[in-house]
Parts: sequence; structure tokens; C-alpha cells
Amino acid sequence: GQQVMQIPQYQHVQEGEDFTTYCNSSTTLSNIQWYKQRPGGHPVFLIQLVKSGEVKKQKRLTFQFGEAKKNSSLHITATQTTDVGTYFCAGSNDYKLSFGAGTTVTVRA
Amino acid sequence: EAQVTQNPRYLITVTGKKLTVTCSQNMNHEYMSWYRQDPGLGLRQIYYSMNVEVTDKGDVPEGYKVSRKEKRNFPLILESPSPNQTSLYFCASSFVAGSYNEQFFGPGTRLTVL
Repeated sequence: GQQVMQIPQYQHVQEGEDFTTYCNSSTTLSNIQWYKQRPGGHPVFLIQLVKSGEVKKQKRLTFQFGEAKKNSSLHITATQTTDVGTYFCAGSNDYKLSFGAGTTVTVRA
Repeated sequence: EAQVTQNPRYLITVTGKKLTVTCSQNMNHEYMSWYRQDPGLGLRQIYYSMNVEVTDKGDVPEGYKVSRKEKRNFPLILESPSPNQTSLYFCASSFVAGSYNEQFFGPGTRLTVL
């Protein structure tokens, strides 16, 4: 079945630094979604990418969908304490979403 | 307020004692699904429903049952819970069936099976 791998599993970041989390699929995806889960909370939708090579920005967050539609990345610039949480990618090529294991981000002030 | 609600939020039970976790959404969404979240494994889909009376297995359906008799409700049933079903469970819904839609998640149910 479809598998979505996400790396790294943990990311410890100094406040103000940048970091990137990566998502890779074993199959071509029709779209990819990104979610954020704050500690003790539930996943909240961030964005969806559909087109090959698509790039979308939300303030300090930049999302990319690979040309082959098999990988994606989330880049956060100037990390803040509000960025703490777990970021999940979720890919699909049918009616089911397959989630990656997530990247848990902690921030050192 | 548009939301997905789950009950109970926390549950400790014993092996073999049947339980039901309720899920309800007030957004008139067609698509609903259940996930379990375990450390290092992310969110794994248990069952999903594309509409009333239409349900299908996700990636980890063993030991679970669901029903969709009304559009707003999608209960998760554990007929004979076992310790390996100790997990954090999320219900989610989206406007229509398919993956091109934002999933709205409930607050989660933390289940412990002793």
C-alpha cells in the first residue's frame, strides 16, 4: 500500500533559526496536505498542494510539492516558540489519506 | 460553532469490555473517518465513511467496528478491547468524500485498555 515517510522525526531548533521537514511517498500522489498538532491538541489543517512543482507560502512557512508529485517539504524561517508542535504531511491518490509519522519540533529560546 | 465532538475524552477500561466512542459533526460533512495515533507511527486510518450507510476499512481496521446511520454521527465500537488498542483516537470529517478536502479533527479520545 501507499506509504508516506517523513523526516526528521524530531527537530530541535534555536529560536530564530530556519529548518525544513521532508515528506516522501512510495507512489505518485494526487495531492498532499500539511497539518500541525500543538502539544495536547488535535491536528489542524495548514495547506494543500495539488500541482506538480507547486510552492505556497504562509508567512514564515513555505510548502513545496515535488515535480514528480512524490515528495514535499515544509520550510520554516526564523522559528518562533509558537512553531512548537508536530507537523504532519498527508498524501493521497484515492479516497484515503496516508499520514507521515510527523516531525516534532521543539524550540530553544 | 462548526466542530467535531468526541466522547468520552478519556477512558480507562479492561480487556474484553465492549465500548463505544462517539463522534459527531455539525458541518453537514459527507466524509468521516477514524484515526489512531501512536508514538512514531503518526495517524493511521481505521475506518472511513463516504456517506450514510457507506463505510470502508482503512489501514488498521482489525478489532474495530463503525456505523453511519445518520450523517452527523460516526461511532467507533470496540467489541472486545485489548491492550494493543491503547491509543489516542481522532475522529475527522470533511465536506465531501475524497482527499482533496481539508480534514476537521475532533479533540481526541485517549483510551487505555488494561
